[in-house]
Amino acid sequence: DTAVSQTPKYLVTQMGNDKSIKCEQNLGHDTMYWYKQDSKKFLKIMFSYNNKELIINETVPNRFSPKSPDKAHLNLHINSLELGDSAVYFCASKSSREQFFGPGTRLTVL
Amino acid sequence: KQEVTQIPAALSVPEGENLVLNCSFTDSAIYNLQWFRQDPGKGLTSLLLIQSSQREQTSGRLNASLDKSSGRSTLYIAASQPGDSATYLCAVRGSGATNKLIFGTGTLLAVQP
Repeated sequence: DTAVSQTPKYLVTQMGNDKSIKCEQNLGHDTMYWYKQDSKKFLKIMFSYNNKELIINETVPNRFSPKSPDKAHLNLHINSLELGDSAVYFCASKSSREQFFGPGTRLTVL
Repeated sequence: KQEVTQIPAALSVPEGENLVLNCSFTDSAIYNLQWFRQDPGKGLTSLLLIQSSQREQTSGRLNASLDKSSGRSTLYIAASQPGDSATYLCAVRGSGATNKLIFGTGTLLAVQP
């Protein structure tokens, strides 16, 4: 009965690799997001999709490419991973008013 | 550009105390404000949402107030318990076309048994 789910929960990889994080929501929401939480716990929006269309791109490097195959899924692909990409990445979806978050994916780049 | 600040950054209280967490925002043109709780290594749990037209919302021992004109919100926790220990995040949603959620810096709360 999970509302917003992400996989994997943990991801450890070498610099330069390409990796993907998957997100799914079963709430029927049209809008989904990706956020990055840095080491100081500050949460910052990266992308927003509404019904599979990109509506927010917060000047994120183009190594990050979100993909929304349908409105229940918003995946995040990261190319050429760098040390500074290490963070917790949260997926979220939004009803008309309220936002719901996934459990997060802790990415560690070595 | 909207900026959201939370004070204090960290707070430690003995069990049973009532406490107040503060959130301030620079642009009063907001759609709503949401308080979240984040446990270590976990995602965010929504606690309370206040629409811009509302003054407060209550859920159990939690009460959130909103003073849009002064750019402030408070989260009041009554009779605190060790299980309340977590990071509390305030976030405001703008009223513009993009309508995105801007987060505060968080308050780390520790309730001592």
